[in-house]
Amino acid sequence: AIRMTQSPSSLSASTGDRVTITCRASQGISSYLAWYQQKPGKAPKLLIYAASTLQSGVPSRFSGSGSGTDFTLTISCLQSEDFATYYCQQYYSYPPTFGQGTKLEIK
Amino acid sequence: EVQLLESGGGLVQPGGSLRLSCAASGFTFSSYAMSWVRQAPGKGLEWVSAISGSGGSTYYADSVKGRFTISRDNSKNTLYLQMNSLRAEDTAVYYCAKLGPRAVAGTDDAFDIWGQGTMVTVSS
Repeated sequence: AIRMTQSPSSLSASTGDRVTITCRASQGISSYLAWYQQKPGKAPKLLIYAASTLQSGVPSRFSGSGSGTDFTLTISCLQSEDFATYYCQQYYSYPPTFGQGTKLEIK
Repeated sequence: EVQLLESGGGLVQPGGSLRLSCAASGFTFSSYAMSWVRQAPGKGLEWVSAISGSGGSTYYADSVKGRFTISRDNSKNTLYLQMNSLRAEDTAVYYCAKLGPRAVAGTDDAFDIWGQGTMVTVSS
């Protein structure tokens, strides 16, 4: 199975900051990567698919980039509602696998 | 409104069985592959199983292969997960999730819609 490694595991930031989360695949996955946001007690929500395509209804302050093995999720101007845990997921090969998550906390 | 609603979770003893259901609404259920994804308390997300839109192809994580069975009833817009020989390590919130429109097989797209989850606790 392809291993997905996110960094950092946790991150403290302030409202208005620009933050970047990195996801690395153990082998090339082209652009078959998704990013999800999960708030406590809630289901994950799809933010980005195909590495850089914003899901309908997701604010434009979220962006994704990368291909092959290295990917990033950037939030350009943090809002209070963005403090959550973020997961990357590859769907290039079976079985689909998730990163361990990055918890974004308020500084 | 596109919606997934899970049910069937609860407390079960090790070695026991449980069947989860996921009722779908707001989209053409039979046109999309569906999956189950679980999350142990305080842990990350783990894909469990998937099924094609027709139900003709099924996929399982190694951790549940031979113990869990995924199925669907397209006439009832409902996804199922039959869980047998349950273990303590199966304790988790179980989410059903819809695969996006680009999926050709059962696992090759992002999960664009998620249910609210149902808790399964395996304990004596």
